[in-house]
Amino acid sequence: DAKTTQPNSMESNEEEPVHLPCNHSTISGTDYIHWYRQLPSQGPEYVIHGLTSNVNNRMASLAIAEDRKSSTLILHRATLRDAAVYYCIPEPNAGNMLTFGGGTRLMVKP
Amino acid sequence: NAGVTQTPKFQVLKTGQSMTLQCAQDMNHEYMSWYRQDPGMGLRLIHYSVGAGITDQGEVPNGYNVSRSTTEDFPLRLLSAAPSQTSVYFCASSYSGTTKNEQFFGPGTRLTVL
Repeated sequence: DAKTTQPNSMESNEEEPVHLPCNHSTISGTDYIHWYRQLPSQGPEYVIHGLTSNVNNRMASLAIAEDRKSSTLILHRATLRDAAVYYCIPEPNAGNMLTFGGGTRLMVKP
Repeated sequence: NAGVTQTPKFQVLKTGQSMTLQCAQDMNHEYMSWYRQDPGMGLRLIHYSVGAGITDQGEVPNGYNVSRSTTEDFPLRLLSAAPSQTSVYFCASSYSGTTKNEQFFGPGTRLTVL
C-alpha cells in the first residue's frame, strides 16, 4: 500500500483559507486519494476523494499534483468547527478497508 | 436514517471478562468493519465483513471475534478482556467493495479494561 506523509499539526485563523498537504509519492496510477476528518470525540467522517483532476464539494476542495505524488486539501474559510484531525488515505491495494495514519491536527483560532 | 449506531457508548470491564460491542446500520450496506483507536493514534482495522456470513481479519484481530448473520448487524466480541484492549472502538459501513464509496462511521464505544 502507498504510504503518506502529513504534518503533525497546523494552525489557522478563523475565516481564512487552510491548505493541508499530503505526500504520497508511492501511489499507483489508479489509486484514489481519500480525505477523512475526525472531530473531537467523534468517529471519522468523509471529506472528499479524487484521482487526477481537482475536485470540489460543499466541504472542501482537493488539489492533486500533476505527478500525483502529493495532494492538498483546501478549506476555503476555516471555522471553529473545522478543528479536527485530517487524514489523507490512499486507496488500498485490496478490499475496502481504510488505513489511517497519524493525520494532521488542525487548530483554528478565533 | 439512523446511519451507523453503536452500543454501549461507554464500558468498563475487569481483566478476563467478556463482552460484545454492538454495531448496526440501516443503509443496507454490504461492507462493515471494526476499528480501534488508542489515545493520540490513528485507527487500526480489527475485523471486517464483505457481506452476511463473510468476515475476515484486519491488522489487529487477536483477542476479538466477529460474525455477520444479517446485513444490518456486525457485533464485536471480546473473549477475555485485557488492559491492552482499552481503546475507543469504531464501527463503519459502506455500500460496496471499493473505497470509492464513502465510509460511514459510528460514534464509537469507549472501553476501559481494569
